Amino acid sequence: DAAVTQKPRYLIKMKGQEAEMKCIPEKGHTAVFWYQQKQSKELKFLIYFQNQQPLDQIDMVKERFSAVCPSSSLCSLGIRTCEAEDSALYLCSSGQQNTLYFGAGTRLSVL
Amino acid sequence: GEQVEQRPPHLSVREGDSAVITCTYTDPNSYYFFWYKQEPGASLQLLMKVFSSTEINEGQGFTVLLNKKDKRLSLNLTAAHPGDSAAYFCAVSPYGNEKITFGAGTKLTIKP
Repeated sequence: DAAVTQKPRYLIKMKGQEAEMKCIPEKGHTAVFWYQQKQSKELKFLIYFQNQQPLDQIDMVKERFSAVCPSSSLCSLGIRTCEAEDSALYLCSSGQQNTLYFGAGTRLSVL
Repeated sequence: GEQVEQRPPHLSVREGDSAVITCTYTDPNSYYFFWYKQEPGASLQLLMKVFSSTEINEGQGFTVLLNKKDKRLSLNLTAAHPGDSAAYFCAVSPYGNEKITFGAGTKLTIKP
């Protein structure tokens, strides 16, 4: 299995605070996706990078999140002002040739 | 865009029985098909990748069937065991495009 690394594994923030989580894609993978998953239910697509450039993202990300891939070996997803509804597992995945491999995720709790 | 419907959302079977999870998709250009397994508290693990040209794929203890005419993908677990208890997600992708669409998931429980 490919190795996608996410840090931190757990993150606790108060409402209104900023949050940041990082992802190290598998070496050589050109595509990076971020998903949000609440209570082990469906995956919600957030943003997609190809060769470090954002190609697609949902409105929520444009409005309240910040996501960048400053290098091929590091991406980050940030929330400018955390809200209770942001509590979720954030999954980073990287891939190429149409196959995605997932990191262990960052579990964010907003109190 | 692509729509993927996964059924059932919850499935409970006895140990040793078979289990079937089905996904239907809408885009006739879909070319790559995936099944992922997510154990409780864990991330998604790639179970199998299927190409459009292959209708039957077998793994350890399961079979993946692709019916392109009906645009249906199924995961068939034979002789389920406790380690199969997990959430399963199908995913679909068109050829030459990295955009992958996931099903809503099926939570499978294996009863002793």
